Parts: sequence; C-alpha cells; structure tokens
Amino acid sequence: LAKTTQPISMDSYEGQEVNITCSHNNIATNDYITWYQQFPSQGPRFIIQGYKTKVTNEVASLFIPADRKSSTLSLPRVSLSDTAVYYCLVGDNYGGATNKLIFGTGTLLAVQP
Amino acid sequence: GAVVSQHPSRVICKSGTSVKIECRSLDFQATTMFWYRQFPKQSLMLMATSNEGSKATYEQGVEKDKFLINHASLTLSTLTVTSAHPEDSSFYICSAGRGEQYFGPGTRLTVT
Repeated sequence: LAKTTQPISMDSYEGQEVNITCSHNNIATNDYITWYQQFPSQGPRFIIQGYKTKVTNEVASLFIPADRKSSTLSLPRVSLSDTAVYYCLVGDNYGGATNKLIFGTGTLLAVQP
Repeated sequence: GAVVSQHPSRVICKSGTSVKIECRSLDFQATTMFWYRQFPKQSLMLMATSNEGSKATYEQGVEKDKFLINHASLTLSTLTVTSAHPEDSSFYICSAGRGEQYFGPGTRLTVT
C-alpha cells in the first residue's frame, strides 16, 4: 500500500478556500485516492475519491495531476465546523474485494473566525 | 451512504475483565470488516481484518489472543478485548464497505 505524506497541520479563516496537498510517490496503477474527515471522538467520514484529473462533489474538489504522485483536496469557503483532521489514503479499494486502509498522520485543519 | 453502527459507544471496565464491541452494517452485507484503534491525538491504526466465516487476519504486533474477532454473519463483526488492562484504553473503530469504506462512530473503552 502506498505511503502518504501530508502536512501535520494547517490554519485558515472562515470563508477562505483551503487546499491540502498529499504526496503519494509510490502510488500503483490500480490505486485510487480517497480523503476522509474525522472529528474528535467520531469515526472518519468519506469526503471524496478520485483516480485522475479532477473530481468535484457538493463538499469538496480533488485535483490529481497526470503523474498521480500527489493530490490536493480543496475545501471552498471553510467554516468553523470544518475544523477536523483530514486523511489522504491510497489503495486498490474502489470496488475491490479487499479495502484495507492504512492511515497516515492526517492534517489537522484549524479554522478560525 | 451506507451506515455502520457500533455498540456500545463507550464502556468502562475493570482491569482483568473482558469487553465485547459490536460492529454492524445496517443496510448492506459485508464479507469483510476492519477494526482500528486510535489513541489520543494519533492516527487510526489498523488492528485486523474481519472475514465472514473465517479467521480474522491480524496486523503485525496485534495480539490475536487478546483481541478476539468473530464475524459470524454478513452484517455483524465483534471485537472482544480479553483480560483488559489500562493500556488497552483507546478509541476502537470499525469499517465496512465495498470500494468506499464506511466507518462506525467508534467505541471509547476505558479500563480502570
């Protein structure tokens, strides 16, 4: 399973766009990139998943360059409630029979008023 | 999205006793479920893969005799912490799904 590297923490203010970049230099051809959000004392919550280029849903966008060795989670106009830990994971888990996920350190995003 | 539940949400037990934590997939069947442990201010650590109808697969360093996993049906996996000690106090989380993983809300175990 590919190892991921993210910044340990980031600070932002309400209303700003936040971009969190994750490095995954050893990503395999079959690997997908998935981002999760976790609040204290809760289980992680799925945010977005992609394979290449750009994916957008109602809460975030995921940008993946052509070499797929990194990805950027973009959160538009963050609010105080977006303060959480964000995890980037890669793995051959999209529709596969096994979905073993290895969590890295994650990025603690602190949004201030 | 799919829902995964855990029970209990928190439990306090005395050192030396055993505690069982349940993980249920409420609206889908899961042949595979995963158990994680998370200490304060740390990331999730995968403990084991729970396989329906067969033995669980444990990650390196996880004591299989201490953390008993039973996956008796397609919607239920249980984790039993045997002879619990204070160092077993942690946040235990399960997940299930095909492709996208859905996580349970977690169980806070405190061993006194």
